[in-house]
Amino acid sequence: AQTVTQSQPEMSVQEAETVTLSCTYDTSENNYYLFWYKQPPSRQMILVIRQEAYKQQNATENRFSVNFQKAAKSFSLKISDSQLGDTAMYFCAFMRAGTASKLTFGTGTRLQVTL
Amino acid sequence: SQTIHQWPATLVQPVGSPLSLECTVEGTSNPNLYWYRQAAGRGLQLLFYSVGIGQISSEVPQNLSASRPQDRQFILSSKKLLLSDSGFYLCAWNGLAGFEQYFGPGTRLTVT
Repeated sequence: AQTVTQSQPEMSVQEAETVTLSCTYDTSENNYYLFWYKQPPSRQMILVIRQEAYKQQNATENRFSVNFQKAAKSFSLKISDSQLGDTAMYFCAFMRAGTASKLTFGTGTRLQVTL
Repeated sequence: SQTIHQWPATLVQPVGSPLSLECTVEGTSNPNLYWYRQAAGRGLQLLFYSVGIGQISSEVPQNLSASRPQDRQFILSSKKLLLSDSGFYLCAWNGLAGFEQYFGPGTRLTVT
């Protein structure tokens, strides 16, 4: 079974600064996907960014980027130029390739962006 | 474009009462559909998933059941609710690429 660990329950960052959220996972699979989801106070789960394990290049989506270290089984999210609207819970998630796309989630990191 | 709907948005039910939560997806066909539960202050737990009409897989044994009567409809049910069934229930589909998941707005269930 796969496990996803987020060791930072809460983090805080000032507006316009950069913050990195950590995530580690455990799997024996070679083909899989990793995701970061954002859950604002509305509780809607929003897909932020995804990474395919077979790709060496780190994924980037505007101010969001990841540092994917496959050998270390690490998948951190960097948010640049933090904005007040980035305040949310952030969940790291794992999905084996070809298995009806079932997601395994970490316990989340609560990010607060302050003025 | 594709849209996923859930209703009701909020529900308060007494212990022992039945439950029916509905999820529908628009703008696609034959999606994989998923039910997750999020307990207060915790991550998401996969409850059921479906790869087609009438095909249901259960991930966690519990007081709940799921059905897929139509291609784009997924229903979560219970005959008798327990206090421990309280939580936030999210439906998701697997996206056009097949390996992502997009979530509905969720249903907040409180069992009293």
